[in-house]
Amino acid sequence: QVQLQESGPGLVRPSQTLSLTCTVSGDPINNGAYYWSWLRQPPHEGLEWIGYIHHSGNTFYNPSLKSRVTILLDPSENQFSLNVTSVTAADTAVYYCARSGDHFDFWGQGILVTVSS
Amino acid sequence: QAVLTQPSSLSASPGASASVTCTLRSGIDVRLCRIYWYQQKPGSPPQFLLNHKSDSDNVQGSGVPRRFSGSIDASANAGILVISGVQFEDESDYHCMMWHNSTWVFGGGTKLTVL
Repeated sequence: QVQLQESGPGLVRPSQTLSLTCTVSGDPINNGAYYWSWLRQPPHEGLEWIGYIHHSGNTFYNPSLKSRVTILLDPSENQFSLNVTSVTAADTAVYYCARSGDHFDFWGQGILVTVSS
Repeated sequence: QAVLTQPSSLSASPGASASVTCTLRSGIDVRLCRIYWYQQKPGSPPQFLLNHKSDSDNVQGSGVPRRFSGSIDASANAGILVISGVQFEDESDYHCMMWHNSTWVFGGGTKLTVL
């Protein structure tokens, strides 16, 4: 069974960089059939796709966040990561990592990240 | 104007049918799009229900009951999630999604209350 688990700080100061890691088990992250995504959901709001990475190293980002986002792959640890720079209160959300082929089929449980001083 | 628009809430009685609509922005033809539907319960990540492009081109998620189905209303330019025989356990948030301009786009989500 494929499992994903997000980890990282739950509190980030404004203007700092948000950094999260997703650890994948049950599927090698260099499986070329899938993409590895980050999504987020602000409190009591809808979902927003942030971007994804393929084992080839190709990345695709949501244009609304592209200037502040980087997603990287670490096949040796079977992990992928997310960096969001210059955060504001608007970046407060539950962040999810997920696997996708045609659709997002396996998700992590999510991690709440609050941006506050 | 948002790409996908959903009503914020909907209520249904047990045993009745419920329709969750996902209206596409003007200029995007629903008949050319594949709409995906997810169910999300409080404190949990979304779970894939199905995708629907047409009556002959749709995919049901593994283990998803057949009382969940998709359709389109071309006159309203909307994708629709139909829940037949609503059960108390169906009380959840429902999200529609589509691939648009090289981006996965979501609707704002609809909270279904069963009462």
